[in-house]
Amino acid sequence: AQSVAQPEDQVNVAEGNPLTVKCTYSVSGNPYLFWYVQYPNRGLQFLLKYITGDNLVKGSYGFEAEFNKSQTSFHLKKPSALVSDSALYFCAVRDSNAGNNRKLIWGLGTSLAVNP
Amino acid sequence: EADIYQTPRYLVIGTGKKITLECSQTMGHDKMYWYQQDPGMELHLIHYSYGVNSTEKGDLSSESTVSRIRTEHFPLTLESARPSHTSQYLCASSDAYYGYTFGSGTRLTVV
Repeated sequence: AQSVAQPEDQVNVAEGNPLTVKCTYSVSGNPYLFWYVQYPNRGLQFLLKYITGDNLVKGSYGFEAEFNKSQTSFHLKKPSALVSDSALYFCAVRDSNAGNNRKLIWGLGTSLAVNP
Repeated sequence: EADIYQTPRYLVIGTGKKITLECSQTMGHDKMYWYQQDPGMELHLIHYSYGVNSTEKGDLSSESTVSRIRTEHFPLTLESARPSHTSQYLCASSDAYYGYTFGSGTRLTVV
């Protein structure tokens, strides 16, 4: 069965420090992986995705994520956090073998707080 | 700029009223989805559609219904609103590159 785990409910980091938001997944085939960000009282915004190719994916707002097949992980990273990065972050996965079923499997979300 | 539009953004309504939450997208996506989300919590898929006249219930049971008569339009209806329906409702559509685009959401409060 497909699943996504975000092991941390909340991550706290000081402004200017690097941040990491963790995500691990389980699919039977090759994964399509996504990160989304949600600011308060808003919908989700796409940050980045891994479909194929280079394991290091760069996305919006200076974020990047590294696909690690052996560890089944897709952690979100940013070298220097900003207070404005404080938001709820969701990891999602879809099995490439799922055919026409494009439903994403979502993690429970990680709340990132960047302290000034 | 958002290509998927949800109205209203906020709605406060009395118990027993019928409501329709609107969702429209201008991207020509065939796949559309409705999620229910309590503040700061996980997403729950309640309905999805793979095209016109195709609708399916999602992973979370919901008393709402949906229709897909036109590609661009995917409204959600509650025949009789209850306080337990108070939540945020997010609409999304899916493109050929497998990404989702979300609307800004409708925050529903049933009093």
